Amino acid sequence: SQTIHQWPATLVQPVGSPLSLECTVEGTSNPNLYWYRQAAGRGLQLLFYSVGIGQISSEVPQNLSASRPQDRQFILSSKKLLLSDSGFYLCAWSVGGNSNQPQHFGDGTRLSIL
Amino acid sequence: QKEVEQNSGPLSVPEGAIASLNCTYSDRVSQSFFWYRQYSGKSPELIMSIYSNGDKEDGRFTAQLNKASQYVSLLIRDSQPSDSATYLCAVNGVKGAGNKLTFGGGTRVLVKP
Repeated sequence: SQTIHQWPATLVQPVGSPLSLECTVEGTSNPNLYWYRQAAGRGLQLLFYSVGIGQISSEVPQNLSASRPQDRQFILSSKKLLLSDSGFYLCAWSVGGNSNQPQHFGDGTRLSIL
Repeated sequence: QKEVEQNSGPLSVPEGAIASLNCTYSDRVSQSFFWYRQYSGKSPELIMSIYSNGDKEDGRFTAQLNKASQYVSLLIRDSQPSDSATYLCAVNGVKGAGNKLTFGGGTRVLVKP
């Protein structure tokens, strides 16, 4: 069966510091991968998605970036965090291509910026 | 106009009753529809998928889809306190976009003992 791992679970960072969140998927090949952010009490905002290694689509212009160095690895980064970057960050995967299959979420990272 | 709309709630339901959640979407070419449950502080969990008009039942959950009217609903029968959560409706309809989903804002459900 497929599993998705996301870490760390909780992170407290000062304003202006860098960020790296990692997500890996096991038990599948060529998945579609996604990064979402959920502000407190708000809906899910799609940040980036990837249909293959090195292929990143950005949904929202911001100071975040994403990379996919390996088939089942997805990384969310920032060079300088802002207060507004606080939130619950979720990685998700789905079957590759345009298969109309659902997305499955990792456990998330709760990021607090001080 | 939001692409996927849900009543934010809270929807208060007595234990043992039926909870009825509705979701409307704007993209007529939408092909697949999903319901997720999200407990407070946790990540969303897929509970139902539906692809064709009509009803689909899975345990105490029934999803209903009406593409002509562009709505999808979720019924929770015999509601339990453990069903208290936010329920997210998600729609996939954009071709060539790697299974991107558009999420509604969620309906908060409170099941009272």
